[in-house]
Amino acid sequence: GAGVSQSPSNKVTEKGKDVELRCDPISGHTALYWYRQRLGQGLEFLIYFQGNSAPDKSGLPSDRFSAERTGESVSTLTIQRTQQEDSAVYLCASSLLVAGVLYFGPGTRLLVL
Amino acid sequence: DQQVKQNSPSLSVQEGRISILNCDYTNSMFDYFLWYKKYPAEGPTFLISISSIKDKNEDGRFTVFLNKSAKHLSLHIVPSQPGDSAVYFCAASLETSGSRLTFGEGTQLTVNP
Repeated sequence: GAGVSQSPSNKVTEKGKDVELRCDPISGHTALYWYRQRLGQGLEFLIYFQGNSAPDKSGLPSDRFSAERTGESVSTLTIQRTQQEDSAVYLCASSLLVAGVLYFGPGTRLLVL
Repeated sequence: DQQVKQNSPSLSVQEGRISILNCDYTNSMFDYFLWYKKYPAEGPTFLISISSIKDKNEDGRFTVFLNKSAKHLSLHIVPSQPGDSAVYFCAASLETSGSRLTFGEGTQLTVNP
């Protein structure tokens, strides 16, 4: 596809369950980001991958959150033991250049009951 | 610590008039600024950007102004069209952080026919 894709588009889960969110970046983009947007708030940085460098995990809110990226392709964001405050839209973005424009996917809407 | 702030959660204008969206930042080290537009159920899309070495950048109906001394930027849309109705986010980055963006909370623009 031409853009960033994310799956699932919606996810409803029970408190305490683990969830895994997937992101397919634009082909050739070396940088990949995860953000989240809680209801009525701005976008909150979570984690950043750039090539083979160690990821910038400084935005992850707790150790329940982790992310992986295979080379310069797919990334998965895992949330363990979900809590209600994890409910948000999780957005993935990719970028071609180190200081370039970010291209966002449509997001995964997570609802933790 | 909200480093990028959009103090107006909403703005309503008449079609054909000018829309002015404002954004303030606190980190004087930010050197690149962007505006994104977001429709419901979609990811943010890039609109326009400006480097800190400039004070104005124009692209069609969209112009971004940067006032570094005031740590303030604004987006002007003229003439406004109903299709411009969306949430607008300003974002800022540091060259040393790669493309990691710090976002404001967003302003909902409504353009009335």
